[in-house]
Amino acid sequence: DAMVIQNPRYQVTQFGKPVTLSCSQTLNHNVMYWYQQKSSQAPKLLFHYYDKDFNNEADTPDNFQSRRPNTSFCFLDIRSPGLGDAAMYLCATSIPGASNQPQHFGDGTRLSIL
Amino acid sequence: GENVEQHPSTLSVQEGDSAVIKCTYSDSASNYFPWYKQELGKGPQLIIDIRSNVGEKKDQRIAVTLNKTAKHFSLHITETQPEDSAVYFCAEGGGNQFYFGTGTSLTVIP
Repeated sequence: DAMVIQNPRYQVTQFGKPVTLSCSQTLNHNVMYWYQQKSSQAPKLLFHYYDKDFNNEADTPDNFQSRRPNTSFCFLDIRSPGLGDAAMYLCATSIPGASNQPQHFGDGTRLSIL
Repeated sequence: GENVEQHPSTLSVQEGDSAVIKCTYSDSASNYFPWYKQELGKGPQLIIDIRSNVGEKKDQRIAVTLNKTAKHFSLHITETQPEDSAVYFCAEGGGNQFYFGTGTSLTVIP
């Protein structure tokens, strides 16, 4: 089945130690998104790629970076995780027309910071 | 398009009863309104969506209604079952991104 796959499902890292989360998709969608979701809150958009064009949200901290080496893969890099970065990180994809096309989400990576 | 209010934040219903969740938005340019269901430990899954040229859409036990004049839309679940228990998010789009509501935690009591 076509889908959005996130690895790992659970990630533990130390305060200040860089961490990378990965996302792959078999939907061949042009647009890939990264969201941060904290407990009992709605997903918050960090950034998205339209093909190779990177679009950062204005309030996304510089600590968060992303890479998209090809259509299928997208990575979220957190350069120096702080305790406040503990959250669920969700990857999603869509066809172009971002805001009026359905987004397809992976099951997320839950990040814990020690 | 940043303000999407969702009510209620929690909802408990008896199995077999109906559940209704309402969202209001402020951007008159919004033209796409999806609903997502998020089960514990999983990502949001699209369950139904509606576009601004339609007033109502139904898919088995799930329906969504849209009132563009009043800028609100609602999710209706009939004959609820325990597996409907989850957090439900509305969203609206029409600018550059989705704006999600704050979520409704639905519990269906067997």
